[in-house]
Amino acid sequence: AQSVTQPDIHITVSEGASLELRCNYSYGATPYLFWYVQSPGQGLQLLLKYFSGDTLVQGIKGFEAEFKRSQSSFNLRKPSVHWSDAAEYFCAAYGGSQGNLIFGKGTKLSVKP
Amino acid sequence: DARVTQTPRHKVTEMGQEVTMRCQPILGHNTVFWYRQTMMQGLELLAYFRNRAPLDDSGMPKDRFSAEMPDATLATLKIQPSEPRDSAVYFCASGTGQTHYEAFFGQGTRLTVV
Repeated sequence: AQSVTQPDIHITVSEGASLELRCNYSYGATPYLFWYVQSPGQGLQLLLKYFSGDTLVQGIKGFEAEFKRSQSSFNLRKPSVHWSDAAEYFCAAYGGSQGNLIFGKGTKLSVKP
Repeated sequence: DARVTQTPRHKVTEMGQEVTMRCQPILGHNTVFWYRQTMMQGLELLAYFRNRAPLDDSGMPKDRFSAEMPDATLATLKIQPSEPRDSAVYFCASGTGQTHYEAFFGQGTRLTVV
């Protein structure tokens, strides 16, 4: 079955430190891949997306993600985290015969001063 | 500034009452999704429509939930009768398959059933 896995439920990093959030997918073929961010009480906002081509994609707010086909991964990174990045992050995939978005369970990011 | 609009933003209702949540997708978008978010289950897809036709509603409890698109500018999600376990945030999202796909989310309806 198609699935998206985010192994880390909660991550805490210090402000200014680098960040990597993990995402793995299980699909028959390479799906479209997305990262969303959800701030408390808000809806989801698209950070970045991968469809094809360059495996390193740039997004908003200084985020980037790297697609690795061999690892079925699409990890999100940021070189220097800001306190305002504290939120929940969702990886999602789109593809397959049904053509609907499937989300991971999310990773909650806390940022300590 | 195009966005998905959901109403109401908050709803408190008593168990057994009917609840209707509304969504106005972005103009021109032909795909609409309904998601439910809870602490325990995370984001669950309830149903989605393309060109107003339901493509998949396997995520919905059929006995109490129903989703419709009366026209291209309105999607509704109805719960009748509501139960405390339905308490969650319900998100609507819209997108288009005409170009590269991505979903734009509304701010959600926070439903509390007491």
